[in-house]
Amino acid sequence: GESVGLHLPTLSVQEGDNSIINCAYSNSASDYFIWYKQESGKGPQFIIDIRSNMDKRQGQRVTVLLNKTVKHLSLQIAATQPGDSAVYFCAENSGGYQKVTFGTGTKLQVIP
Amino acid sequence: DGGITQSPKYLFRKEGQNVTLSCEQNLNHDAMYWYRQDPGQGLRLIYYSQIVNDFQKGDIAEGYSVSREKKESFPLTVTSAQKNPTAFYLCASSWEGTYNEQFFGPGTRLTVL
Repeated sequence: GESVGLHLPTLSVQEGDNSIINCAYSNSASDYFIWYKQESGKGPQFIIDIRSNMDKRQGQRVTVLLNKTVKHLSLQIAATQPGDSAVYFCAENSGGYQKVTFGTGTKLQVIP
Repeated sequence: DGGITQSPKYLFRKEGQNVTLSCEQNLNHDAMYWYRQDPGQGLRLIYYSQIVNDFQKGDIAEGYSVSREKKESFPLTVTSAQKNPTAFYLCASSWEGTYNEQFFGPGTRLTVL
């Protein structure tokens, strides 16, 4: 697969446990915050987004929390499965096509 | 089976040669994007296109060129002017107005020797 996971912070989680992936953002003017998942050798896949006027949003087995006070975003994955092993990117959208800015990513390793 | 395709998966070129990476989508999306990904880094936007015959530079457009003659196709040319072309290139598309949810292709790994 691709070497996009090299030199990334890594989170190791036991299968069945909950995972929390964190992200710090810099642009207070961002309208949306987004999470993507990238499996080895594949392109990123959209997971969930949250508008800047919200604090929490839930999806299927995932929850995104937004703390604007400290400019912090987190993705919680419930009952982590081996298929969740991937690199997770947070991204910001400050408006328009050209304004989706991706972070550097966190590698999630699920231990069977 | 709808999706976005990129070919080839791996591409090798000699230094000084231009090379064109293909990107095709059958999702009927209006917007298409090209990103570059380097190890340990996030995605950086090279070019994007909102409609046919229109495209805009992203953050790192120098040394790259694109065309959008058809809605389904958005090829990227890596020119000899690009100083460090070896990278993983990702193409994406989205519906107009849903820019957060971009659909990505599998990527092309370009190695310039």
